[in-house]
Amino acid sequence: DAGITQSPRHKVTETGTPVTLRCHQTENHRYMYWYRQDPGHGLRLIHYSYGVKDTDKGEVSDGYSVSRSKTEDFLLTLESATSSQTSVYFCAISPGLSVTDTQYFGPGTRLTVL
Amino acid sequence: AQSVTQLDSHVSVSEGTPVLLRCNYSSSYSPSLFWYVQHPNKGLQLLLKYTSAATLVKGINGFEAEFKKSETSFHLTKPSAHMSDAAEYFCVVTSYNQGGKLIFGQGTELSVKP
Repeated sequence: DAGITQSPRHKVTETGTPVTLRCHQTENHRYMYWYRQDPGHGLRLIHYSYGVKDTDKGEVSDGYSVSRSKTEDFLLTLESATSSQTSVYFCAISPGLSVTDTQYFGPGTRLTVL
Repeated sequence: AQSVTQLDSHVSVSEGTPVLLRCNYSSSYSPSLFWYVQHPNKGLQLLLKYTSAATLVKGINGFEAEFKKSETSFHLTKPSAHMSDAAEYFCVVTSYNQGGKLIFGQGTELSVKP
């Protein structure tokens, strides 16, 4: 998985609780991304980062926040989880040298919000 | 605006027969196109990508795709299916005006019968 780990791999939580998902890379790539995958929707971009402390919103950012204090770590936080955020979350990385760079994906985190 | 349409949500073939997964795209700018594969409970892996060089792109595991600008298509093919090809396949588009952000199709699930 191109030096990308995600933790936890599975999580069950209750509505209204905060949740933080972690993406860690060992490739020293500049760009990092958070996606969610839902049946019939493919993957949709939540937030992305183009460097330490530099982040921006994606297509479905409502209800999510991110932080990147180190090159290797990109955190996704659900401030108050809702059932609509039940999904599989993927982190991806790319060198950021070109927009055609391949994005390499982590193994995913399956989140269930009850 | 950019979009991707995968014309089949599910394709079933017999082992040893050809595979065709169809993808149409819409892009106001010169697109870069990708095919990713996702095996069950795994992350996504790049199969191949088109970046305005040769229109016929060869990827891993015997897959290839042809970029046809006049038809706005980027169909994925393989001459002979193998059982290990059973997975979900995503067609993806981006361009320079998207800053590298990927737009995913809804996915096509490929089943391979013995």
